[in-house]
Amino acid sequence: DTEVTQTPKHLVMGMTNKKSLKCEQHMGHRAMYWYKQKAKKPPELMFVYSYEKLSINESVPSRFSPECPNSSLLNLHLHALQPEDSALYLCASSAPGYSGNTIYFGEGSWLTVV
Amino acid sequence: GNSVTQMEGPVTLSEEAFLTINCTYTATGYPSLFWYVQYPGEGLQLLLKATKADDKGSNKGFEATYRKETTSFHLEKGSVQVSDSAVYFCALSDAYSGGGADGLTFGKGTHLIIQP
Repeated sequence: DTEVTQTPKHLVMGMTNKKSLKCEQHMGHRAMYWYKQKAKKPPELMFVYSYEKLSINESVPSRFSPECPNSSLLNLHLHALQPEDSALYLCASSAPGYSGNTIYFGEGSWLTVV
Repeated sequence: GNSVTQMEGPVTLSEEAFLTINCTYTATGYPSLFWYVQYPGEGLQLLLKATKADDKGSNKGFEATYRKETTSFHLEKGSVQVSDSAVYFCALSDAYSGGGADGLTFGKGTHLIIQP
């Protein structure tokens, strides 16, 4: 099973709402990632968790708050977002320790901020 | 720092044509190289990869060879189909940037359109 599952697939939220994106993998991977992708652009790295600890935060605004409750789950908590935060949010996972390990992506969550 | 440069397109070809999408890279260490494909409305799927110089990755008729001397990883397919229409991303992961848990450096993506 090489699947990364993301929910919800689509989310529309107001600028004052609080919502969460969820990601799950059962491949035993100990590195998990959040990427943001705008239309016609490559994915941009937001956060990396390695062994359930936040190892990289690419200067992401605090209105995005990641959480890794255990080795299989990754959440992205959203609060007070702006319309420009509308994008496809991709979760990914890999086995850390070697650059040749494949990073597997989920199908993404399409976020629209109104 | 690391970077990946690829032709952006859109690249429009007729069915059964030969495909080449160029990709070159700069890296401080010894990177692993990847091609990912993204179909409309979907996430990224690994197409193929190569982890050391002269390795050839292949999958679904696509091939790419890791050329250290020219710092390239060009994607090729001998006969494309309409179903190959998608966006293709070249990417690298650097062996010296934390052991492979630092994510990927992506090229800008190439939009491929195959006409029947």
